[in-house]
Amino acid sequence: GAGVSQTPSNKVTEKGKYVELRCDPISGHTALYWYRQSLGQGPEFLIYFQGTGAADDSGLPNDRFFAVRPEGSVSTLKIQRTERGDSAVYLCASTRSGGTEAFFGQGTRLTVV
Amino acid sequence: GNSVTQMEGPVTLSEEAFLTINCTYTATGYPSLFWYVQYPGEGLQLLLKATKADDKGSNKGFEATYRKETTSFHLEKGSVQVSDSAVYFCALTLTGNQFYFGTGTSLTVIP
Repeated sequence: GAGVSQTPSNKVTEKGKYVELRCDPISGHTALYWYRQSLGQGPEFLIYFQGTGAADDSGLPNDRFFAVRPEGSVSTLKIQRTERGDSAVYLCASTRSGGTEAFFGQGTRLTVV
Repeated sequence: GNSVTQMEGPVTLSEEAFLTINCTYTATGYPSLFWYVQYPGEGLQLLLKATKADDKGSNKGFEATYRKETTSFHLEKGSVQVSDSAVYFCALTLTGNQFYFGTGTSLTVIP
């Protein structure tokens, strides 16, 4: 596609529920990143994929968070047993192989009530 | 560790004023440095970058010079416009595996 696409753009869920956030990167980009941005803060790294594998998941806050990229393209960030503190904008970005310019999607605004 | 510190906002300027947004960094190696911009209602966009010491990145009238001796990458523009109103983020990466962002500086330019 022309840019990084994230769906849904907004998600409201009840505390304790499970959510999935989807990212469709730029076609041909091998690297994919998930970030979380809280109000008034910069993006915080969650996880980085190179192809299908998670090359660095050191930013995932706990085991309620998990992400997959089974075919090396679309990625899904999964959050179990959501908590109010999970409310934030979740950003996805992709880069071409060997590149350092990250292209960001518009994000999914998650609100846990 | 690796981190970015940028000046807190919000910053309000009149049109055609000079802009400086300070950014300093801490890194365990030799990073590439970036400025990203987020316009209202839009996603983060790369504004400019520099990959080694003394490099100057420039775009849309904005400039930033990679200063290794002061570990800084300050953003400047000689004459801001209303359309420059946005949030600006300084960032670094060492390997492309992780990008470390500052907290962002909100700029409002008034006519």
